[in-house]
Amino acid sequence: GAVVSQHPSWVICKSGTSVKIECRSLDFQATTMFWYRQFPKQSLMLMATSNEGSKATYEQGVEKDKFLINHASLTLSTLTVTSAHPEDSSFYICSAGFQGRRNSPLHFGNGTRLTVT
Amino acid sequence: AQKVTQAQTEISVVEKEDVTLDCVYETRDTTYYLFWYKQPPSGELVFLIRRNSFDEQNEISGRYSWNFQKSTSSFNFTITASQVVDSAVYFCALSEGRGYGGATNKLIFGTGTLLAVQP
Repeated sequence: GAVVSQHPSWVICKSGTSVKIECRSLDFQATTMFWYRQFPKQSLMLMATSNEGSKATYEQGVEKDKFLINHASLTLSTLTVTSAHPEDSSFYICSAGFQGRRNSPLHFGNGTRLTVT
Repeated sequence: AQKVTQAQTEISVVEKEDVTLDCVYETRDTTYYLFWYKQPPSGELVFLIRRNSFDEQNEISGRYSWNFQKSTSSFNFTITASQVVDSAVYFCALSEGRGYGGATNKLIFGTGTLLAVQP
């Protein structure tokens, strides 16, 4: 079964509004969560790394004021796309890792398809 | 520099054919992890395999097999007797560092190979 739940699976919003995407680890405590973005027919690009209780680390070129990440608990990280524009339309997918699971893969959510009109 | 190269952008085969997806990686770390994921049209990422840099044993899982060659920095994936359900984009990924089996390290993805299996 799914060990990382991502919600919503798709969202359509108007330009200028904000959208929040949730990523939850279901059966383990995720010390680290990652947020990726995938444009159509392209690869997944890491946007940021969030560690529980501390500020997220953003990859070069990702605007931290636009993509707000909050990892307030060991089971939940949220990505808020603020003042969304059509160019933010993309597939956003999170993954979660747990330090204690030596042999587990990084678990991915099912992704969120964001369309900004 | 960390990099994953999947030179094949698209492959089309007929059902029951064998197909190999290539993956070449670059890293300066001696400890790293390699992954393969499948992404069907619905978008989710399906974990297929994780391999650490110290384990060069090839692995077979049903119709899937993986060939890890450190000497050529390659981690190729073969599907035997392909089926239509194998149609998807396949990503090879690299995780560097010593973080607990890659679980706390970011993944660097290749550009993916779109596999189309025709009936």
